[in-house]
Amino acid sequence: AQSVTQPDIHITVSEGASLELRCNYSYGATPYLFWYVQSPGQGLQLLLKYFSGDTLVQGIKGFEAEFKRSQSSFNLRKPSVHWSDAAEYFCAGRAGNKLTFGGGTRVLVKP
Amino acid sequence: DAMVIQNPRYQVTQFGKPVTLSCSQTLNHNVMYWYQQKSSQAPKLLFHYYDKDFNNEADTPDNFQSRRPNTSFCFLDIRSPGLGDAAMYLCATSRVAGREQYFGPGTRLTVT
Repeated sequence: AQSVTQPDIHITVSEGASLELRCNYSYGATPYLFWYVQSPGQGLQLLLKYFSGDTLVQGIKGFEAEFKRSQSSFNLRKPSVHWSDAAEYFCAGRAGNKLTFGGGTRVLVKP
Repeated sequence: DAMVIQNPRYQVTQFGKPVTLSCSQTLNHNVMYWYQQKSSQAPKLLFHYYDKDFNNEADTPDNFQSRRPNTSFCFLDIRSPGLGDAAMYLCATSRVAGREQYFGPGTRLTVT
């Protein structure tokens, strides 16, 4: 079955430090993959997407993600975290007409 | 700006009293989705419309219904809300099914 897994439930990072959020997928063919961010009490905002082509994808807010077929991963990265990046992050993959979401990773940013 | 709008942002209803949540979009997207999200969980898909075709998830309770009178609007009806239905309800749209979805800000439902 098509699935998306986010191994880390919580991550704490210092402001200005780099951030990497893990996402693993289980799909037969090349998946459509997405990263979303959700601030408290808000909807989900699309950060970036991967369909095909260049495996390093640039998104909004300084985020990027790299698709690695050999590792079945689509990890999200940011070189320098700002306090405003504290939020919940969801990786998602296409499952037919729908999206399958990972469980989410909550990012806490220390001053 | 093109967007997905949900009203109201906060809704309080009584146990068993029907409630309707609304979603509208200016993106002219073909597909509209309704999700339920509980605290610290991923969104859970309830159903979606591909144009006028309604697609219910197998585990969506019968208590939840939806209407899409036109391309722009979609409604979520909860016929008899229980305490377990308290959650954030998210509406999303997609131009093509299976592609990126654009979410509204959500409606926080409280059941008293």
